[in-house]
Amino acid sequence: AQRVTQPEKLLSVFKGAPVELKCNYSYSGSPELFWYVQYSRQRLQLLLRHISRESIKGFTADLNKGETSFHLKKPFAQEEDSAMYYCALSGIYNQGGKLIFGQGTELSVKP
Amino acid sequence: KAGVTQTPRYLIKTRGQQVTLSCSPISGHRSVSWYQQTPGQGLQFLFEYFSETQRNKGNFPGRFSGRQFSNSRSEMNVSTLELGDSALYLCASSQRTSTDTQYFGPGTRLTVL
Repeated sequence: AQRVTQPEKLLSVFKGAPVELKCNYSYSGSPELFWYVQYSRQRLQLLLRHISRESIKGFTADLNKGETSFHLKKPFAQEEDSAMYYCALSGIYNQGGKLIFGQGTELSVKP
Repeated sequence: KAGVTQTPRYLIKTRGQQVTLSCSPISGHRSVSWYQQTPGQGLQFLFEYFSETQRNKGNFPGRFSGRQFSNSRSEMNVSTLELGDSALYLCASSQRTSTDTQYFGPGTRLTVL
């Protein structure tokens, strides 16, 4: 079964602390993994995707196929990082635009 | 480019009624996907349309349906509304394939009384 699991509903850290939002997936095939972010009163938007290997706003994520994980990391959290973060999966060879989302992790960065 | 737009932004309906939601994708995008977001179930895929054809469908009852027009605009319809249909309905557009970035609209908040 295709599934994305984000074990933490809420992650609270202090400004300047490292952040790691966990994401594990289950997929029989070649997945494309994404992290989407939703800031307060804004629409859901793409943060990064594993295939582009970019670092956006200081966040990085590495696809670990052995552990079927795609954890999101940032070395020094900022208050403006406070938001809902969703890990999502799609099949590379799917023709359709279907994303499977995790339940989301709310990140709260305290001053 | 203008972003994905959804109308209306808010809707209040009663049980048994039907509702139609509209989504206008980013210009040039041919794929439109719909998602339901609830506190309990999170974001769940409803269906996806590409070039006026339904290409993917999630695990929702037949009361949920959609269509896409030649200009890529899409509508989704929910018939015989139930209380559990109360949710935020999100539309996303992308250029073509599942690995293209999906751009989300602001959503339509549906409340069923």
